[in-house]
Amino acid sequence: SQTIHQWPATLVQPVGSPLSLECTVEGTSNPNLYWYRQAAGRGLQLLFYSVGIGQISSEVPQNLSASRPQDRQFILSSKKLLLSDSGFYLCAWSVGGLFTEAFFGQGTRLTVV
Amino acid sequence: AQTVTQSQPEMSVQEAETVTLSCTYDTSESDYYLFWYKQPPSRQMILVIRQEAYKQQNATENRFSVNFQKAAKSFSLKISDSQLGDAAMYFCAYRSQGGSEKLVFGKGTKLTVNP
Repeated sequence: SQTIHQWPATLVQPVGSPLSLECTVEGTSNPNLYWYRQAAGRGLQLLFYSVGIGQISSEVPQNLSASRPQDRQFILSSKKLLLSDSGFYLCAWSVGGLFTEAFFGQGTRLTVV
Repeated sequence: AQTVTQSQPEMSVQEAETVTLSCTYDTSESDYYLFWYKQPPSRQMILVIRQEAYKQQNATENRFSVNFQKAAKSFSLKISDSQLGDAAMYFCAYRSQGGSEKLVFGKGTKLTVNP
């Protein structure tokens, strides 16, 4: 069966420090991968999505970046965190071209101090 | 660009009653998918129901059903016989079919179920 792993669950980082959040999917090939951010009590803002290795679409220009070095690995990064980067980050995957829903990781709560 | 709008930030319903959550979307595509997700306090995203745009028949999953109006670009969720466990954030989502595979969510509706 397919599973998605997202870590860490909680992260506290100082302003100006780098960030690396990792998401991996097991049990499927060539998934679509997504990164979302959810501010407290708010909706899911699509940050990046990828339909294949090295293919990244950015939805919101900001100091975050994403990479997909392997088929089932999706990484969210920042060189220098801002206070406004605090939030709940969710990784998700779906099967491309088929009518299936997206499956979500457990999320990472990032607090920038 | 595709956008999803949920005009009701909060809704409340009495236990055992029926409630309808609204969702509208904007797209120029003809083929796409629509979803409703539930996010309880645990913050785990749970699929409630899904609909293919080419299907005119409204999807139903037990107590959950949708009213899909393609021409009006409307996709509302009806919860019948509401239960305390239905209390959560509900998100409407749009996914492109083929090509971009972009998945966009609305801002959510917080549903409270009163005993």
